[in-house]
Amino acid sequence: GQQVMQIPQYQHVQEGEDFTTYCNSSTTLSNIQWYKQRPGGHPVFLIQLVKSGEVKKQKRLTFQFGEAKKNSSLHITATQTTDVGTYFCAGRGAGGTSYGKLTFGQGTILTVHP
Amino acid sequence: GAGVSQSPSNKVTEKGKDVELRCDPISGHTALYWYRQSLGQGLEFLIYFQGNSAPDKSGLPSDRFSAERTGGSVSTLTIQRTQQEDSAVYLCASSSRTSGSYNEQFFGPGTRLTVL
Repeated sequence: GQQVMQIPQYQHVQEGEDFTTYCNSSTTLSNIQWYKQRPGGHPVFLIQLVKSGEVKKQKRLTFQFGEAKKNSSLHITATQTTDVGTYFCAGRGAGGTSYGKLTFGQGTILTVHP
Repeated sequence: GAGVSQSPSNKVTEKGKDVELRCDPISGHTALYWYRQSLGQGLEFLIYFQGNSAPDKSGLPSDRFSAERTGGSVSTLTIQRTQQEDSAVYLCASSSRTSGSYNEQFFGPGTRLTVL
């Protein structure tokens, strides 16, 4: 079945440093979503990427979808303490009976030291 | 408007007992998902409902786990003969569709299950 791998598992940064998490799928994806989960909270949707090579920005966050639609990344510029949490990618397969199913990566836990 | 709600928020049970976890999705969302999250871990897919289609049960870890969705709205996840390894946070999410494509998932606050 489809597998989505995410690295690194943990990332500790000083406030102001940049942060990147990477996501790789074993199969081609129709789209990929990113979610953020604050400590003690539930996952909250950040963005969806659909097109090959797509790049989207949200303030200090930059999201990329690979040309082959099998990998994605999230980059945060100049991290702030409010960025603390776990970032998950979630991929949707290219078709089939479970088109609605998302496969989540294991997440990257980001810690920001002030 | 109201988001996804789950009940109970916490459930402590003894090994061997059955438990029922409830999820109320956002009104009008046709897709409903159940996930399990162990402490510090990722989201483990359990089951997914879409409208009147047969659910995708491929993530259920054993036949002790079952779920139903009545009237296309409320869903109940049942765990029979609970084991200590079932202890986790159970998250429910719902999603709408636009022109056949699935939109983002909205998650409930989860039910923290502890099996003693």
